[in-house]
Amino acid sequence: AQTVTQSQPEMSVQEAETVTLSCTYDTSENNYYLFWYKQPPSRQMILVIRQEAYKQQNATENRFSVNFQKAAKSFSLKISDSQLGDTAMYFCAFMKGQGGKLIFGQGTELSVKP
Amino acid sequence: DTEVTQTPKHLVMGMTNKKSLKCEQHMGHRAMYWYKQKAKKPPELMFVYSYEKLSINESVPSRFSPECPNSSLLNLHLHALQPEDSALYLCASSQDAPRDSGVWSSYEQYFGPGTRLTVT
Repeated sequence: AQTVTQSQPEMSVQEAETVTLSCTYDTSENNYYLFWYKQPPSRQMILVIRQEAYKQQNATENRFSVNFQKAAKSFSLKISDSQLGDTAMYFCAFMKGQGGKLIFGQGTELSVKP
Repeated sequence: DTEVTQTPKHLVMGMTNKKSLKCEQHMGHRAMYWYKQKAKKPPELMFVYSYEKLSINESVPSRFSPECPNSSLLNLHLHALQPEDSALYLCASSQDAPRDSGVWSSYEQYFGPGTRLTVT
């Protein structure tokens, strides 16, 4: 069975600084996808970034980038130039290839302080 | 357009009531999902519909009854709920591979804003 672990329940960062959220996972699959979802206090879950396991290049989306270490089964999210609107719960999620269930981590609550 | 809509936004119901939650998407997605989420916890999968057929039921109590009338619409019928069923109910949708394609695709799920349910 797959598991996803986020070891940081809460984090805070000053506006304009950089923060990294950790995620590790356990799987015996070779083909899978990893995601970071953001859920602001308004509760809408938003997809931030995705990574295909077969791609060696780390995914980036504007200020968001990942450090994907397949051998170490690690998938951290880096947020650069943090903004107040980045305040949210961040969930790391795993999915086997060809769709199916999303396996979520427990979440990291990020606060961006002015 | 990556929008999934859900109605109502808030719902308060008694334990003897019958109510329904509605979810709609117009992205041509053929997989739709119901999740239950408690405060500061990750979503818990309840049901998955693929091509309008129920493909996954995560051992959800029968007081929750899903329905997929067409490829764009997903309902969750509620009856005789308990106070512990109070939660945020999220709907999501994703693309799904044609059944015989065997093609790799990324099936990220797009979530709706949720229905905040309170059972009194």
